[in-house]
Amino acid sequence: DVKVTQSSRYLVKRTGEKVFLECVQDMDHENMFWYRQDPGLGLRLIYFSYDVKMKEKGDIPEGYSVSREKKERFSLILESASTNQTSMYLCASLRQNYGYTFGSGTRLTVV
Amino acid sequence: RKEVEQDPGPFNVPEGATVAFNCTYSNSASQSFFWYRQDCRKEPKLLMSVYSSGNEDGRFTAQLNRASQYISLLIRDSKLSDSATYLCVVSLDYKLSFGAGTTVTVRA
Repeated sequence: DVKVTQSSRYLVKRTGEKVFLECVQDMDHENMFWYRQDPGLGLRLIYFSYDVKMKEKGDIPEGYSVSREKKERFSLILESASTNQTSMYLCASLRQNYGYTFGSGTRLTVV
Repeated sequence: RKEVEQDPGPFNVPEGATVAFNCTYSNSASQSFFWYRQDCRKEPKLLMSVYSSGNEDGRFTAQLNRASQYISLLIRDSKLSDSATYLCVVSLDYKLSFGAGTTVTVRA
């Protein structure tokens, strides 16, 4: 089974801090994704990457950036955290025709 | 208009009951369809893919209606363990679009 590991389950950061959320998958998948999930809004795509050093904006990229230096690792960066970025962040990895596997999520609170 | 819309519920049903709910999608070019299950404070997990001819997985039946652009999920003989939020997911190329989820609560 694919394993997608997110480095932190819970994180509390201050407004203005730079925040790194790390995601690692162990199955050599090319496609990786970052979503945020908020009540009533469902999951919304922030960024995705289909190969090393490649990235594409999703639906809500503002205030975020990403890094994919190695195939197994896809990092989400909040350049200057704000309270409206308090959310559950989910990383996912894609195996074609088999759907997505999600990490266990990082619940980020910005105070 | 949201790309994927679901009735948020909650659907409160007794054990053993049948419960069914739909979701609609706006992009007629959508290629793949899934139902994911999400337990409270956990990540979504794939429940089943949805095929054009409809498909069954044990007590779960999924249907796709491309003409009307909706998919459905039916759960027969509900168990307490079926209590969860069910996310409708629609895919175009590599991008997934998620509904906000339908909450099902099965009571003893």
